[in-house]
Amino acid sequence: QSVLTQPPSASGTPGQRVTISCSGSSSNIGSNTVNWYQQLPGTAPKLLIYSNNQRPSGVPDRFSGSKSGTSASLAISGLQSEDEADYYCAAWDDSLNGRWVFGGGTKLTVL
Amino acid sequence: QVQLVQSGAEVKKPGASVKVSCKASGYTFTSYGISWVRQAPGQGLEWMGWISAYNGNTNYAQKLQGRVTMTTDTSTSTAYMELRSLRSDDTAVYYCARINSGYDSFDYWGQGTLVTVSS
Repeated sequence: QSVLTQPPSASGTPGQRVTISCSGSSSNIGSNTVNWYQQLPGTAPKLLIYSNNQRPSGVPDRFSGSKSGTSASLAISGLQSEDEADYYCAAWDDSLNGRWVFGGGTKLTVL
Repeated sequence: QVQLVQSGAEVKKPGASVKVSCKASGYTFTSYGISWVRQAPGQGLEWMGWISAYNGNTNYAQKLQGRVTMTTDTSTSTAYMELRSLRSDDTAVYYCARINSGYDSFDYWGQGTLVTVSS
């Protein structure tokens, strides 16, 4: 059971906009920043969004993040076939002497 | 460019130990921490702990306390993760990741090391 809650799956057609939610609590999302990672099949995760809504260099502006209270979301606009991947949210959690926690992951299918 | 290169796949018997290495290049090793994250087959990401490459301070996930040890060798810019008393449910791909404290995130990842625990 993951500390952060994500829907197990999401889907969309090319060009569409999709959003993936991530729900936490006051000890993690409520008091710390949220990151999103993209994991393409058979590869290591890659940082997609940091500090709630910042994109590392090289990440297309089709990807955006937001946070409100104890929830966060990742939005992908202009969906492309190469966006088909697993997406994970993550945040620092202040409980248990501090730890990073992940969502269970959302498998995005491009129809 | 920043690279984290991990050691190769391992097959271990239950009760044995495994030590995975993660060699860093392209940045000042002691300026960043290293975290270890594992992923069981078909499952999500699980944080295992982290180590400061600056002073060796560690913080381990509660469920792994007593079985995991993370170390660094600053002379070779290499981080290590040792897991003892292996069980079948430790079968996973193990990743090292650089911690960017400014971004509070894992900004570079190793390629992963598959550890299979089987009798």
